[in-house]
Amino acid sequence: GESVGLHLPTLSVQEGDNSIINCAYSNSASDYFIWYKQESGKGPQFIIDIRSNMDKRQGQRVTVLLNKTVKHLSLQIAATQPGDSAVYFCAERQGAQKLVFGQGTRLTINP
Amino acid sequence: DAGVIQSPRHEVTEMGQEVTLRCKPISGHDYLFWYRQTMMRGLELLIYFNNNVPIDDSGMPEDRFSAKMPNASFSTLKIQPSEPRDSAVYFCATSSTGVRTGELFFGEGSRLTVL
Repeated sequence: GESVGLHLPTLSVQEGDNSIINCAYSNSASDYFIWYKQESGKGPQFIIDIRSNMDKRQGQRVTVLLNKTVKHLSLQIAATQPGDSAVYFCAERQGAQKLVFGQGTRLTINP
Repeated sequence: DAGVIQSPRHEVTEMGQEVTLRCKPISGHDYLFWYRQTMMRGLELLIYFNNNVPIDDSGMPEDRFSAKMPNASFSTLKIQPSEPRDSAVYFCATSSTGVRTGELFFGEGSRLTVL
């Protein structure tokens, strides 16, 4: 069936470097994507979203890129900080409010 | 606002026992979701409600699981009888129509261990 998935389960970066987390989706009809961050022992927290009529959206230190041709989504975090250590999920909207989450990528920051 | 409040935070029970998880949504939010998180299957949507009415329960694993939302400020997820494979973190999340569509507000979860 249709699914949202991630290329890498773990990512380790040096503090201060940029991080790029990737996500592949299979439903070409998907029109809305979201990135969530989950810190240890907590629930997921919204980071940024993007609609399918856009290819890029920027927030504070984060950028989401959408490539509909290859059905690929990425989250870029600039100047990674220790507080960015978490599991990051991409999610795909199915229906008005239903979100389907990918498996997640664990980001660890090396000092 | 206190956010989404879930209880209990941790529950350890024996196989065959009934488990009830509780959720208090953010006031004014009209959507409520129950998710289950495991290492193997990630975050799975179990059921969601709109204005206290169940909309989609296709993710509920089997008849042992049931969810209710008797009013706008309370929901329960019940497992009866519980089995070891039900061990997971169960999240309640809420959202509001008209606010950013993808922004679900999650509680801190209820970690269930079934022995």
